[in-house]
Amino acid sequence: AQTVTQSQPEMSVQEAETVTLSCTYDTSESNYYLFWYKQPPSRQMILVIRQEAYKQQNATENRFSVNFQKAAKSFSLKISDSQLGDTAMYFCAFMMGGSNYKLTFGKGTLLTVNP
Amino acid sequence: NAGVTQTPKFQVLKTGQSMTLQCAQDMNHEYMSWYRQDPGMGLRLIHYSVGAGITDQGEVPNGYNVSRSTTEDFPLRLLSAAPSQTSVYFCASSYFPSGGETQYFGPGTRLLVL
Repeated sequence: AQTVTQSQPEMSVQEAETVTLSCTYDTSESNYYLFWYKQPPSRQMILVIRQEAYKQQNATENRFSVNFQKAAKSFSLKISDSQLGDTAMYFCAFMMGGSNYKLTFGKGTLLTVNP
Repeated sequence: NAGVTQTPKFQVLKTGQSMTLQCAQDMNHEYMSWYRQDPGMGLRLIHYSVGAGITDQGEVPNGYNVSRSTTEDFPLRLLSAAPSQTSVYFCASSYFPSGGETQYFGPGTRLLVL
């Protein structure tokens, strides 16, 4: 079974600074997908970024980017120019490729952006 | 498009009562699923469906039933509620996820079982 580990239960950052959230995963598969979801206080789960394991290029979405290290099974999220609206719980998630439909989530990192 | 909708937003039950959590999507997604979120546990998959008439168990299926009679709806039934089922429940949907399709989540239902 796949596992996803987020080793930082809580983090904080000053507004406009950069922060990196860590995620490691365990799998013996070579075809899979990785996701970061954001959950603000409203509880709505919002997709932040998605990475295909077969792509070496790191995914980027505006101020959000990932550092995908396939050999190390590491998938960290970097948030640049942090904003107060980035305050949320962030979940790393794993999905195998092919006919497997299950998202496996980490336990989450609570990020607080301070003014 | 309304996306994924869930009702009710909040519910209080007594131990032993039954209820149905509703989930609907208007994006013509084949795949739908239910997760529960507990403090410090992340989200865990309860049941999922890859199309009308097809359902299967996830990681924590005990105490829950599902059915999928239409593409749009995927209700979750608690047969006899227990305090351990106090949680926040999320419904999600996507196109058939053979290529890592993004799953879209509903706003959640908070359930308290006394």
